Amino acid sequence: GAGVSQSPSNKVTEKGKDVELRCDPISGHTALYWYRQSLGQGLEFLIYFQGNSAPDKSGLPSDRFSAERTGGSVSTLTIQRTQQEDSAVYLCASSADIFYEQYFGPGTRLTVT
Amino acid sequence: EDQVTQSPEALRLQEGESSSLNCSYTVSGLRGLFWYRQDPGKGPEFLFTLYSAGEEKEKERLKATLTKKESFLHITAPKPEDSATYLCAVQAGTNAGKSTFGDGTTLTVKP
Repeated sequence: GAGVSQSPSNKVTEKGKDVELRCDPISGHTALYWYRQSLGQGLEFLIYFQGNSAPDKSGLPSDRFSAERTGGSVSTLTIQRTQQEDSAVYLCASSADIFYEQYFGPGTRLTVT
Repeated sequence: EDQVTQSPEALRLQEGESSSLNCSYTVSGLRGLFWYRQDPGKGPEFLFTLYSAGEEKEKERLKATLTKKESFLHITAPKPEDSATYLCAVQAGTNAGKSTFGDGTTLTVKP
């Protein structure tokens, strides 16, 4: 079946602009996660959604970052007023439920110039 | 705060030379420990889940084990195609759903 998809695969933006990153999870998966991975680093947790519960936003680095999940499926991560330190690969993952293995998308490489 | 430390950071092996990767963790109420493989330019790929001390899982040349403080990923007779970064992650009952990842071990297997 179809895996997790993300778009765009690459995004180059100017400092100060807003960007939106999209994630389509595996159908039927109730949990959806966003991570950030800087070059040569591990994954930094940003936010996760579980069913209709309030999302856990504890990993968002600043109030410039926000995310929503519509209809329990597609999710959008928005970064406002981008800064150069936001440059990284943004990974989305979904799982059948919390405490289950996660399936990752290919990521969106964001470059802020 | 949950912590995950992986060692070594990098490991170079000759084809056929078996070795182990280590993942040490500190969590309050482990709910699951996960191993993933990540190839350059791709998202991590799930390998194993371990839930309790003493548990072992195997897949081809890989075997994952778990104690109360650490997990090992044993690689037997590795091949060049096993070259990748291996990531360890934990989920704790106190942070339901939130995963903490280690920085990974980059494995290079030379033919």
